[in-house]
Amino acid sequence: GAVVSQHPSWVICKSGTSVKIECRSLDFQATTMFWYRQFPKQSLMLMATSNEGSKATYEQGVEKDKFLINHASLTLSTLTVTSAHPEDSSFYICSARRSSGANVLTFGAGSRLTVL
Amino acid sequence: DAKTTQPNSMESNEEEPVHLPCNHSTISGTDYIHWYRQLPSQGPEYVIHGLTSNVNNRMASLAIAEDRKSSTLILHRATLRDAAVYYCIYRFGNEKLTFGTGTRLTIIP
Repeated sequence: GAVVSQHPSWVICKSGTSVKIECRSLDFQATTMFWYRQFPKQSLMLMATSNEGSKATYEQGVEKDKFLINHASLTLSTLTVTSAHPEDSSFYICSARRSSGANVLTFGAGSRLTVL
Repeated sequence: DAKTTQPNSMESNEEEPVHLPCNHSTISGTDYIHWYRQLPSQGPEYVIHGLTSNVNNRMASLAIAEDRKSSTLILHRATLRDAAVYYCIYRFGNEKLTFGTGTRLTIIP
């Protein structure tokens, strides 16, 4: 079955540093990946749509210079939280859709970011 | 955004069937109904999806109303591992997937 791997699964960093989270589709190609964030006891909030070979599409209210997304290949998208602050602490989750046109998404296990 | 309405929480006894309802009155004729679930501290997991006919897979069944304005996810025999937040979502084709608040299912041993 389709597998999406996220790395790291958790990370702690100091305020002001940048953190990169990787999302890989292990056994299928994904032209489109989605990045979500989730605060405790809340639902997932879509941050951006990552398209292979082109710029990401950000949701309203999400700072594109703060959350840099790169989708350089059909199996890898990265989210970089730049100059992280404590309010950026959250659970970040990616998902990928098969390039073959399947109608379902496969999600990664998530990456928990804690900014001190 | 595609809006769905689900109860905030439900409880069920272990080894009994569970029926999780979802209202999606603004669904269009080409929108698929998807169900995902999220276990604690994990990413969502696909459960099932359908368009018009009822669907069955190894995890669950999906019963879709004739007018498609509501659907019910059926777990035939709940186990403790089914305790999760269940999200009902509808989308067309390759549209982005937006989540509502979901239903937090508690399984009572």
